[in-house]
Amino acid sequence: QKEVEQNSGPLSVPEGAIASLNCTYSDRVSQSFFWYRQYSGKSPELIMSIYSNGDKEDGRFTAQLNKASQYVSLLIRDSQPSDSATYLCAVKSESGAGSYQLTFGKGTKLSVIP
Amino acid sequence: EPEVTQTPSHQVTQMGQEVILRCVPISNHLYFYWYRQILGQKVEFLVSFYNNEISEKSEIFDDQFSVERPDGSNFTLKIRSTKLEDSAMYFCATMRKTSGYYNEQFFGPGTRLTVL
Repeated sequence: QKEVEQNSGPLSVPEGAIASLNCTYSDRVSQSFFWYRQYSGKSPELIMSIYSNGDKEDGRFTAQLNKASQYVSLLIRDSQPSDSATYLCAVKSESGAGSYQLTFGKGTKLSVIP
Repeated sequence: EPEVTQTPSHQVTQMGQEVILRCVPISNHLYFYWYRQILGQKVEFLVSFYNNEISEKSEIFDDQFSVERPDGSNFTLKIRSTKLEDSAMYFCATMRKTSGYYNEQFFGPGTRLTVL
């Protein structure tokens, strides 16, 4: 059974600081990883995807992937109060016919303190 | 910007009753999914649907669950005889078919199902 583990938090950071969110996964053959943001009572919203080892940057967000360690992280620079949400790590599992399913972690709750 | 829509936003039902949750996918999307999230728990995959048939289903998706696309637009999830433990937020997600590697599942706003 594929597992995705995240520290549930809450993780509190002051406004303007860097927030670091971590995720580990159990299936060594997993190739594709996603970070979603979920505000309370809302649906998941994709922030970033990452497929290759190393860093991928998009604005204030940087995703990092280390397949050897089965570890994915998300850095949020210059954190804003509006970044306060639960961040979900998800791993892609191919289903065939071009489809895939997502296995989610439980999420890390981030609180950015003004 | 096109969005996935879901109705109703909140459904309250008695245990043992049938419920149908509806989703309207983004118009050119061909892959459809249902996920659920029990309060305080992780988002869990239920089923994927493509070309008018189920592609894959999880252990959660037992004989009480069914999906269909009755009119070529709506995508529905039916729970035949609801149980208390079916209370959750149900998310529909859809995805377009691309030849590329990078394709995203877009999530609808969810239907909160409460079984009493």
